[in-house]
Amino acid sequence: GNSVTQMEGPVTLSEEAFLTINCTYTATGYPSLFWYVQYPGEGLQLLLKATKADDKGSNKGFEATYRKETTSFHLEKGSVQVSDSAVYFCALNSLGGSYIPTFGRGTSLIVHP
Amino acid sequence: NAGVTQTPKFQVLKTGQSMTLQCAQDMNHEYMSWYRQDPGMGLRLIHYSVGAGITDQGEVPNGYNVSRSTTEDFPLRLLSAAPSQTSVYFCASSYSGTRDEKLFFGSGTQLSVL
Repeated sequence: GNSVTQMEGPVTLSEEAFLTINCTYTATGYPSLFWYVQYPGEGLQLLLKATKADDKGSNKGFEATYRKETTSFHLEKGSVQVSDSAVYFCALNSLGGSYIPTFGRGTSLIVHP
Repeated sequence: NAGVTQTPKFQVLKTGQSMTLQCAQDMNHEYMSWYRQDPGMGLRLIHYSVGAGITDQGEVPNGYNVSRSTTEDFPLRLLSAAPSQTSVYFCASSYSGTRDEKLFFGSGTQLSVL
C-alpha cells in the first residue's frame, strides 16, 4: 500500500535559520508528491507539488525535489521567518483503485524571533 | 470565491447524540472527502465521493455516514456520538480526483463529545 513518513516534530528554529523537513514514501505505481501547510486555526493549503522524478516544486521560498531513487521529497527553506510557523504535511497521490491522497502525520515548525 | 465551506466551526455533543457536519463547495468539483485530524495521527480519511450518488469508505469509516445527492454538498453524519469521535474534521475537494490535482480544504469543524 501507500504510506508517507515524516520526521517528528516539533522542529524549533530561530529566524533566518535553514529548514529541512524530511519526507519519504512508499507507493504502488508512480505517485505525484505534495507539501501542504496548515496555519493555526485553518485548513490545509497546498504549498508545492512535483509530478515526476527530478522535478522541483517551489513556492514562498520553500523547495522540494522529487527523488525517485531514494523515494524522498524533503522540504527545504534557506531562511525561515516567524510567519512560517505552522504544521507541514507531506502527501502523495498514487493509483490504488482511485487516486486517494495519502498524508504523513505532519511536522510542526516553530520559529522564534 | 467561497471555495469549501464547512459548518459549524465548533460543536459540543453529549454521548449518544447525532448530528450532521455540513460541507459545500462552489467549484464544481467531482471529488469530495472527509478527514479527521487527531494529535500525532495526522489526517485520516473517513469517507470519500467521486461524484454525485457515489460514495466509498476510507480508513476510519465506523460511526459515520455520508451521502452525495448533489455535486456541491457532502454532509457527514454522526449517528450516535462517542467520546472517541472528539476531533477536528476537515472536508476537502478536487476537480476530478486525479493524480496531479491538489486538494482544497475547508477551515474545519472542531467537535467535542462529552
